[in-house]
Formats: sequence, C-alpha cells, structure tokens
Amino acid sequence: DAGVTQSPTHLIKTRGQQVTLRCSPKSGHDTVSWYQQALGQGPQFIFQYYEEEERQRGNFPDRFSGHQYPNYSSELNVNALLLGDSALYLCASSLRSGGARYNEQFFGPGTRLTVL
Amino acid sequence: GQNIDQPTEMTATEGAIVQINCTYQTSGFNGLFWYQQHAGEAPTFLSYNVLDGLEEKGRFSSFLSRSKGYSYLLLKELQMKDSASYLCAVRDMTTDSWGKLQFGAGTQVVVTP
Repeated sequence: DAGVTQSPTHLIKTRGQQVTLRCSPKSGHDTVSWYQQALGQGPQFIFQYYEEEERQRGNFPDRFSGHQYPNYSSELNVNALLLGDSALYLCASSLRSGGARYNEQFFGPGTRLTVL
Repeated sequence: GQNIDQPTEMTATEGAIVQINCTYQTSGFNGLFWYQQHAGEAPTFLSYNVLDGLEEKGRFSSFLSRSKGYSYLLLKELQMKDSASYLCAVRDMTTDSWGKLQFGAGTQVVVTP
C-alpha cells in the first residue's frame, strides 16, 4: 500500500518563474491538503481539495493555485515566484468520509523548492 | 485566527523523560495532534486528543485540557532516535465543517548520551 508520494523531490527556480508540484494521496484517501514549511517553522496551511474543488484556503496570495483530478491526485502551482517562496512543500492526504476517528492526515516526503 | 505556542528547544539525556508543552487559542477547537518530524523528512503522526485527559501510546503520552487551551506530549525512556522536531497542531472547525490543521513552530528535542 503506497503512502503519499510527491514529485519532484527537489526543484530550483529563479524569481518570476512558475512551478508545478505534484502529489498522489495514500490509497483510499479522497482529500489533499497542501502546506508550506519554511526552515525552522511549522507547516503553514495553503489549501485543501476535495471532490476536485478547493474547500478551504489559508492566508496565501492568488499566486498559489491548485487542482485535484478525478483519481484524487493533486497539483500545486505557484506563479511569479519570489525568493520567500523557498520552502519545503508538503502534501497531506486524508479521508473526508468514512468515519475515521480523527481523520488523520498522512504527509508525503515533500518537495524542496529553492528560488534564486 | 489561532496562536499555538510551544518551546523552541529542549535537551534531555538518553533514558530520561521530557515533557513538551503546547498552548493554543481558538474558537473552533476540534482536536489537537502531535507530529514528529526528523530533519529533512515529512511529519509523522504521534497522537490525537479531542477530549480532556491523557492518551497513552507506548513511550509517548499526550494530555489535553480544553478549558485551559493546553496540551503536553510526554516522551519516556528517551532514545537517541527521538531527537527530532515535535509539532503541535490544532484542528480548527470555524471556517467550515471540515477542519484544517494549524501548526505550532515545533519544539526541537535533542537527546544526549
């Protein structure tokens, strides 16, 4: 049973460029959340996708957008990259339906984005 | 919004006990999670509390007091592999029926021989 997978592992971009990060949720999960984690900080919630729609959004500008596909996989897109976007981007999957006791979020290994 | 506060760093010796405190403020509390994160790796789930009291799971225990907005994670019989960042996260249900997680900055635990 594969866990949450993310690609790529590492990415280097320059300011102003655009980037797409990908996530495949744990088998059986239907909800994907994206987090940004700066060095030495806790993860910050970006947004959450369920049934191919953005359901919740954190305090991030419109430069951050996403998508969820029918197979529940998800993409995070960031436009007009800034130096401050350099961080570890984490994808977490969970099961919104099904009655899980605490709807635990399983995290992927993350994508390390460096903006030069 | 929410404020989640936890100490930045704690140091303890192998075999000892360490208690990591977490305080939070939220109007839509629906559960508190503890995650462990080793450097360069993804957070892994340790515990969940939604009702007051103590939850024990092996060497790790977590306590919650909703009225005080307070939780702690207790790590017993410390091992070198327990050196990691420990993240306190609160699930907020104020925005809609499905909560998002708000994380603290993490507590770096250093276990010394």
